[in-house]
Amino acid sequence: EAQVTQNPRYLITVTGKKLTVTCSQNMNHEYMSWYRQDPGLGLRQIYYSMNVEVTDKGDVPEGYKVSRKEKRNFPLILESPSPNQTSLYFCASSTGLAGPAYEQYFGPGTRLTVT
Amino acid sequence: GIQVEQSPPDLILQEGANSTLRCNFSDSVNNLQWFHQNPWGQLINLFYIPSGTKQNGRLSATTVATERYSLFYISSSQTTDSGVYFCATPRRGGSQGNLIFGKGTKLSVKP
Repeated sequence: EAQVTQNPRYLITVTGKKLTVTCSQNMNHEYMSWYRQDPGLGLRQIYYSMNVEVTDKGDVPEGYKVSRKEKRNFPLILESPSPNQTSLYFCASSTGLAGPAYEQYFGPGTRLTVT
Repeated sequence: GIQVEQSPPDLILQEGANSTLRCNFSDSVNNLQWFHQNPWGQLINLFYIPSGTKQNGRLSATTVATERYSLFYISSSQTTDSGVYFCATPRRGGSQGNLIFGKGTKLSVKP
């Protein structure tokens, strides 16, 4: 089954404790990105990657890191989480950015709480 | 940048009823998607529909790009249709894959 997976699905952690949220897709997609969803602010892009070893900032990159060492994986790293990073996080992927290849698929979400 | 507006913001349906959700955008678009966010928070891809009409069972969508709107139809609604429906299109400039989402239509289907 074609899908985007994220782990963990739920996480409660404390301020300053480094964490990684994994994202993996089995559709051989080039483009991957991370969003966060917050009440009243909607979904905002954090980082994106056009292909292996190619990453760039989205709208709200502060406090996050990413890497793209393999085509299928795009982990999101919070080096020193803070309470304002409490949010619902989504990973997304697509084949490309032209025509039908643009269609983006989202993972199931990771609900993160930082205390 | 492009603005995406959805209406209505809230909608309550009796099970079995039909309804239409609307998405207006402030500029021409060449990519548009509809998503359903279920009560568990998952974002489910419904339609990729930059123009024309698509149907999937009880659900269908139509985009009239020249008029800058898209419509999403639910027929014979079911309680499992409850959740928030979003339309999204790419931001102009910057990352082409950066989707701009509308604020959504929150749908509640009552048994």
